[in-house]
Amino acid sequence: DAKTTQPNSMESNEEEPVHLPCNHSTISGTDYIHWYRQLPSQGPEYVIHGLTSNVNNRMASLAIAEDRKSSTLILHRATLRDAAVYYCILRSSGTYKYIFGTGTRLKVLA
Amino acid sequence: EAGVTQFPSHSVIEKGQTVTLRCDPISGHDNLYWYRRVMGKEIKFLLHFVKESKQDESGMPNNRFLAERTGGTYSTLKVQPAELEDSGVYFCASSRAETNEKLFFGSGTQLSVL
Repeated sequence: DAKTTQPNSMESNEEEPVHLPCNHSTISGTDYIHWYRQLPSQGPEYVIHGLTSNVNNRMASLAIAEDRKSSTLILHRATLRDAAVYYCILRSSGTYKYIFGTGTRLKVLA
Repeated sequence: EAGVTQFPSHSVIEKGQTVTLRCDPISGHDNLYWYRRVMGKEIKFLLHFVKESKQDESGMPNNRFLAERTGGTYSTLKVQPAELEDSGVYFCASSRAETNEKLFFGSGTQLSVL
């Protein structure tokens, strides 16, 4: 299964944008890029997903490199409530299994 | 809309005992999944139901684990007998029928085997 690589941790100041990178050099053409986050004492929560084009929703934006070997989750204005572990996951079309990596622990400073 | 509900939130048992975890998915979600995180490791897939049928149980660690989803509604995950290495957080998730639908996770059951 394709795997992803993320930095272990990142810090951001409150109210500033945050760019969370993810490398997935072995991605295949049918793999969707999903992002989930896990707040303390909760289960993972869906953030955003995409295939080839950049995506925006109310929570975040997803920027996908042209060769699809990397992507970046963008939180436009970080808040204290965004402190969580963010997971970048590849999911093959037609399959249902998610393979979680270690994720990036985001710390937001007031 | 109610979310995915898991019960109990915490369970402490002794080695050799039996524990049953329950998951109530979001109403109308055909897909139900079990995942777990043990000993600070990564979250791992256990199995996937489509309605009452097991679609993929490749992640089940051994035959001490038994998952059921009677009538395609709620699901149970039984561990019998429990071992120390089974300690961790067990997450349930559900999604609608379409392939690339997002997963909704419950808050998990923290299982401690002493």
